[in-house]
Amino acid sequence: GNSVTQMEGPVTLSEEAFLTINCTYTATGYPSLFWYVQYPGEGLQLLLKATKADDKGSNKGFEATYRKETTSFHLEKGSVQVSDSAVYFCALRSKLGSAGGTSYGKLTFGQGTILTVHP
Amino acid sequence: DTEVTQTPKHLVMGMTNKKSLKCEQHMGHRAMYWYKQKAKKPPELMFVYSYEKLSINESVPSRFSPECPNSSLLNLHLHALQPEDSALYLCASSQESVQAINYGYTFGSGTRLTVV
Repeated sequence: GNSVTQMEGPVTLSEEAFLTINCTYTATGYPSLFWYVQYPGEGLQLLLKATKADDKGSNKGFEATYRKETTSFHLEKGSVQVSDSAVYFCALRSKLGSAGGTSYGKLTFGQGTILTVHP
Repeated sequence: DTEVTQTPKHLVMGMTNKKSLKCEQHMGHRAMYWYKQKAKKPPELMFVYSYEKLSINESVPSRFSPECPNSSLLNLHLHALQPEDSALYLCASSQESVQAINYGYTFGSGTRLTVV
């Protein structure tokens, strides 16, 4: 089955430090890969995505590259801010089955990484 | 409209109460989901609706009863819950098409449920 493994947290950084959160996956076929962010007291927001090998997703200064050869999708940011403090979830989506003549895929999450950024 | 709206935001209920959580989206998404999330953990899938039909029930206890009255609405009816059911309940929706895997889910802000 599909699975996503994220680096253990929590991660604590000073403002303007470089951030890497590792994510590796196991999946059959060609999944799409996602990073979600959850700020305190809120739901999950899609941060970025990549749908095929070598694609780079980017948003709000965050980047991640879909590496099929290493089955990885590591999240990076060059200079973190206090406002980036949140829980980050790596996820993948692959074709599950069909319903109503179309197909959809179940989202599989990693365990999440808590990021705390200090001033 | 690119949002999933969940109500109420907070709910406290006793173990003998009956309550309902509501979820609404107007993005034309034909797949809708209920998730349960404990603090600092990933969301756990509970139910999936596709074209208003229940397609996945992840062995959820019968005290949780989902309902999809139409393509925009999703309800979760709660009855005789236990304190361990206290959690953040998230609704999500997504496109339902052959390219669906290229798109993520859109999540609501959740209902913070406390069972006393």
